[in-house]
Amino acid sequence: KAGVTQTPRYLIKTRGQQVTLSCSPISGHRSVSWYQQTPGQGLQFLFEYFSETQRNKGNFPGRFSGRQFSNSRSEMNVSTLELGDSALYLCASSFRTQPEEGYTFGSGTRLTVV
Amino acid sequence: AQSVAQPEDQVNVAEGNPLTVKCTYSVSGNPYLFWYVQYPNRGLQFLLKYITGDNLVKGSYGFEAEFNKSQTSFHLKKPSALVSDSALYFCAVRDVSSNTGKLIFGQGTTLQVKP
Repeated sequence: KAGVTQTPRYLIKTRGQQVTLSCSPISGHRSVSWYQQTPGQGLQFLFEYFSETQRNKGNFPGRFSGRQFSNSRSEMNVSTLELGDSALYLCASSFRTQPEEGYTFGSGTRLTVV
Repeated sequence: AQSVAQPEDQVNVAEGNPLTVKCTYSVSGNPYLFWYVQYPNRGLQFLLKYITGDNLVKGSYGFEAEFNKSQTSFHLKKPSALVSDSALYFCAVRDVSSNTGKLIFGQGTTLQVKP
């Protein structure tokens, strides 16, 4: 079966621009979470969505936002990009929130802000 | 507050030797514990989990982990390392009592297996 699909894989943006990243979960999965991975901060939780509702939000500024659609696909948006937003953004999905079975991660979107 | 510590940035081991990647955690309630592996330019790949029950958990690719409640540890082990095991390993925890699926990750440990 198809895994978690994140698009695009690579992205280069200029400071001040905004960006939208997309995540298509595994078919049947209704929970989607987003993480930011940087060499300095490691893996940091961004958001968690279940059935189009944001269940939890990490400690990130309001420039970071997300949403989930009725087909469980999710997008995250970063406005007014800063150099420090350069990171690998990972999406993970599962059947339900608080899964015992763990999460399936996508390959990520590598965002570079110049 | 929940936290995970992986005290070693890098672990070096010779092929064929046993390996251990250390992880300690802190949660207010009971933990769900996970190990993930990441290969270059890829996402995280699930290895194994501890939810409840047997303290020794077996996972993918011959990896296993031992849950030790008194030491709040969940070390990853493999009896015989392969060069192909070289990757970045992450330990993660979720508080069972929390109403969220949020995972807290350790900083990661780079495993280098030399032929």
